[in-house]
Amino acid sequence: QQPVQSPQAVILREGEDAVINCSSSKALYSVHWYRQKHGEAPVFLMILLKGGEQKGHEKISASFNEKKQQSSLYLTASQLSYSGTYFCGTESSAGGTSYGKLTFGQGTILTVHP
Amino acid sequence: DTAVSQTPKYLVTQMGNDKSIKCEQNLGHDTMYWYKQDSKKFLKIMFSYNNKELIINETVPNRFSPKSPDKAHLNLHINSLELGDSAVYFCASTSGNTIYFGEGSWLTVV
Repeated sequence: QQPVQSPQAVILREGEDAVINCSSSKALYSVHWYRQKHGEAPVFLMILLKGGEQKGHEKISASFNEKKQQSSLYLTASQLSYSGTYFCGTESSAGGTSYGKLTFGQGTILTVHP
Repeated sequence: DTAVSQTPKYLVTQMGNDKSIKCEQNLGHDTMYWYKQDSKKFLKIMFSYNNKELIINETVPNRFSPKSPDKAHLNLHINSLELGDSAVYFCASTSGNTIYFGEGSWLTVV
């Protein structure tokens, strides 16, 4: 089952903040976040493995609420370079036949204007 | 050095033809994938191989046949191409937590 991302699109001015949500109907083992720029490959941002875990890299951070089967990506003081489509990828069990099998959300298009 | 490289990058072909896309990774990863991204940007796993063994086959038509000659290579052969096969095909590999994608192969079936 595909996770659901919201919102579908966000338009920001440089310096503004945004939150992108990812919800799953299945119990999750991990949540991955990727950013894809137009015409390019998705690029890994971060992975969250434990419930309630929060990770960050510079001004992009994420949280994972295992109970609610949700993850949120926080973009703070956005820059022009943040523009792209953000995907969450969820893994519903550890290892076995689903090893590394990510089911991606439909994507959130983020546009940052000067 | 490109970590995951795939060829060709662009491919335009007629319906009914057979085509192949090649993928190589130099990261030493054991697991490789093929993902398909359609025109709506929906990114969906097709196949996963671990050390040359098929471990995930996501109900893909049997016109699609992956082949892994060794753990650094995973090729995708498509028979009898259909219009609906037009998409971007991404090869990827992982050592565990991070999936590294190739640059994609843009397939257009006319």
